[in-house]
Amino acid sequence: DAGVIQSPRHEVTEMGQEVTLRCKPISGHDYLFWYRQTMMRGLELLIYFNNNVPIDDSGMPEDRFSAKMPNASFSTLKIQPSEPRDSAVYFCASSSDGSSGNTIYFGEGSWLTVV
Amino acid sequence: AQKVTQAQTEISVVEKEDVTLDCVYETRDTTYYLFWYKQPPSGELVFLIRRNSFDEQNEISGRYSWNFQKSTSSFNFTITASQVVDSAVYFCALSSRYRSTASKLTFGTGTRLQVTL
Repeated sequence: DAGVIQSPRHEVTEMGQEVTLRCKPISGHDYLFWYRQTMMRGLELLIYFNNNVPIDDSGMPEDRFSAKMPNASFSTLKIQPSEPRDSAVYFCASSSDGSSGNTIYFGEGSWLTVV
Repeated sequence: AQKVTQAQTEISVVEKEDVTLDCVYETRDTTYYLFWYKQPPSGELVFLIRRNSFDEQNEISGRYSWNFQKSTSSFNFTITASQVVDSAVYFCALSSRYRSTASKLTFGTGTRLQVTL
């Protein structure tokens, strides 16, 4: 089976521009997570979905960030307007259920640079 | 609150040396899971192992082994006869349902392992 697929792998954009990151979870997985990795804060959970419904968005840094999951096979994380401090690696991940023992599988990450 | 501490920021070893990466965790939950992930220079996060809180048996997979001790809240990772390809950042992570409707991973800050010839 294919793993979690993210696009783009790399994005460089100017401050103020809109950025959209995309994710296709592993087929059959009901949970989808968006994580962000920075040098300062490490890996932190931004938001997660269960059956396409956002469950916990307490990690979303501010209103400039939004995430959607229109169907079971696609999710987006949007930043509008982008700022240099948003530069990070954004990981999408999925798991087959929400139990604490279930392995969460990560995509390869989207490396975002905002200049 | 949940917390994972990886006190070793960076470790450098020569190939064929054994190396142990430390992980200490905190949780109020009695049921929880511990994970190790590897992040090679290419950047992806690769799942290595999962261990539940009720199973303290050590696990060995090839050159990798894990030592889980609830008494000290530790889940250490040992690489035997290290190789250059083991060079990566290794993350320990904790998952539980404490105050959550679903499991979420709490990551440590990672340990960067550099294996040289």
